[in-house]
Amino acid sequence: DSGVTQTPKHLITATGQRVTLRCSPRSGDLSVYWYQQSLDQGLQFLIQYYNGEERAKGNILERFSAQQFPDLHSELNLSSLELGDSALYFCASSAPGVAGANVLTFGAGSRLTVL
Amino acid sequence: GQNIDQPTEMTATEGAIVQINCTYQTSGFNGLFWYQQHAGEAPTFLSYNVLDGLEEKGRFSSFLSRSKGYSYLLLKELQMKDSASYLCAVRDRDTDKLIFGTGTRLQVFP
Repeated sequence: DSGVTQTPKHLITATGQRVTLRCSPRSGDLSVYWYQQSLDQGLQFLIQYYNGEERAKGNILERFSAQQFPDLHSELNLSSLELGDSALYFCASSAPGVAGANVLTFGAGSRLTVL
Repeated sequence: GQNIDQPTEMTATEGAIVQINCTYQTSGFNGLFWYQQHAGEAPTFLSYNVLDGLEEKGRFSSFLSRSKGYSYLLLKELQMKDSASYLCAVRDRDTDKLIFGTGTRLQVFP
């Protein structure tokens, strides 16, 4: 157990629908990152939050949105789902202002299947 | 922006040594990471380099040359459980986000 909790583990839905993926970071970590990994693809950075504020944005579609709440958990909202959105969605967290490695710790992921 | 290249696939024999290379181009470098990822599972941290040279950690070592934009991960005494994807990632200097390469899928044969 990495300490980063993601729910749900699996989700099957239809095109056009909307889903919400949830992430609780490790205790003490203020930064949360969302990544998308399609079949046989690399990890694509979507968005980063630090202590409730958006800090960096990657290739996140306009149909996707995210936020980090005061208790530091984060949610990734995916709407108007398309077949191509089927992927593993990973959340990662890291500690604030740590010198050195500041390693990202990943959750187990949420596997989204859009039919 | 960042660009990271690593071979798509490699094979090796149990007990052997394998070197996985990674080249990168980045506008703001603040460290290079290697992660291991078994199929369908979360990536797990292997190593970190921010200065030039070799970092050794058990059977795994990682090397960095910042002037060449080059790193490698060296795996010794390969075991079957080392069959996995190995992801090279560069940390952005301003935000700490990690940008990953597409990963190298390593298959270890008996």
